[in-house]
Amino acid sequence: GAGVSQTPSNKVTEKGKYVELRCDPISGHTALYWYRQSLGQGPEFLIYFQGTGAADDSGLPNDRFFAVRPEGSVSTLKIQRTERGDSAVYLCASSSQGRNNEQFFGPGTRLTVL
Amino acid sequence: DQQVKQNSPSLSVQEGRISILNCDYTNSMFDYFLWYKKYPAEGPTFLISISSIKDKNEDGRFTVFLNKSAKHLSLHIVPSQPGDSAVYFCAASAEGNTGKLIFGQGTTLQVKP
Repeated sequence: GAGVSQTPSNKVTEKGKYVELRCDPISGHTALYWYRQSLGQGPEFLIYFQGTGAADDSGLPNDRFFAVRPEGSVSTLKIQRTERGDSAVYLCASSSQGRNNEQFFGPGTRLTVL
Repeated sequence: DQQVKQNSPSLSVQEGRISILNCDYTNSMFDYFLWYKKYPAEGPTFLISISSIKDKNEDGRFTVFLNKSAKHLSLHIVPSQPGDSAVYFCAASAEGNTGKLIFGQGTTLQVKP
């Protein structure tokens, strides 16, 4: 079956602009995670959804970052007033319900803020 | 505050030999540990995991060892193959939380033919 997909694969924007990154999880997966990976680092947790609700948003770096999952499937990560430090690969993962179930990752969106 | 550390940025081994990747953690609340493998331009893919109630888990050529007293785990790949060349991430999650994973910085493994 289809894996996790993310669009766009690459996004180049200017400092101060608004961007939206989309994640399509594996069908039927109730848990959805966003991570951010900077160069030379491992993925860093941002936010976790169980169904439609954000169960844990402790990893969001500041209030410029926001994510939604209105129907419990597709999720959108929104970044306002982008800064050069936001440049990174944004990864989405989904899993079946259950804490230790395998998280399946998408290929990521590479965001570059000029 | 790096709770999961992979102190070796890179490792090079000959095909057929053993690859040993190491990982240290500081948070004693971690009770589930995973290894992910990542190829360029792809997302990480799950490789193997271990619960804190075990000290070893094996899956084919891959074995993960956990030493809780030392807060250390390692991934052994035997025999190593050129297709194993990738970045390997160690990750951990803590009991009672949401399943979010805390990752190490990664180790780039190169297996030479």
